[in-house]
Amino acid sequence: SQKIEQNSEALNIQEGKTATLTCNYTNYSPAYLQWYRQDPGRGPVFLLLIRENEKEKRKERLKVTFDTTLKQSLFHITASQPADSATYLCALDSLYGGSQGNLIFGKGTKLSVKP
Amino acid sequence: GAGVSQSPSNKVTEKGKDVELRCDPISGHTALYWYRQSLGQGLEFLIYFQGNSAPDKSGLPSDRFSAERTGGSVSTLTIQRTQQEDSAVYLCASSLAGGEANERFFGPGTRLTVL
Repeated sequence: SQKIEQNSEALNIQEGKTATLTCNYTNYSPAYLQWYRQDPGRGPVFLLLIRENEKEKRKERLKVTFDTTLKQSLFHITASQPADSATYLCALDSLYGGSQGNLIFGKGTKLSVKP
Repeated sequence: GAGVSQSPSNKVTEKGKDVELRCDPISGHTALYWYRQSLGQGLEFLIYFQGNSAPDKSGLPSDRFSAERTGGSVSTLTIQRTQQEDSAVYLCASSLAGGEANERFFGPGTRLTVL
């Protein structure tokens, strides 16, 4: 079955720098990969979705890449701000061909942006 | 419009008691999901409802867990004979349709503590 690894439990960076978070998967390449943000005491909030045939997706200061050869997605926040501090989760489908809904989530990377 | 709501926000119960957790999805969303999140762990898929189809129960950890969705809207997750290891945050999410391409809208969660 598919497994996800977000290889940094925590990432501390200085305000203004670019944060780069990594999501690796172990098996087949999913058709879609999603990124979410979760603040303490709240449910995750959807940020971006990238398709298998898209190498890169941008939204304001966010950029996601998807490398099916490396089985990896990178999530970048440019010009980071303390308000970007949160846990970031990647998610993808758990079964080849789609399971009609069973997204599996990584454990997340806790980002702290220091002023 | 209103987002996904869950009740109660916190539930403390004694081991062996039954609990019911409620989820009100976004109006018009045909897909509804239950996840749970333990401290330091990722989101664990529990169950998925899509329209009138039979639910995907593949994530339920034991037969003490059950869920129903009435009228294609509100859902209730029931845990019978609660155990201490059931303590977690239970998150409900909905999406416009099923499938991995659709973003999930999460509720704030119910924090369950089993003493």
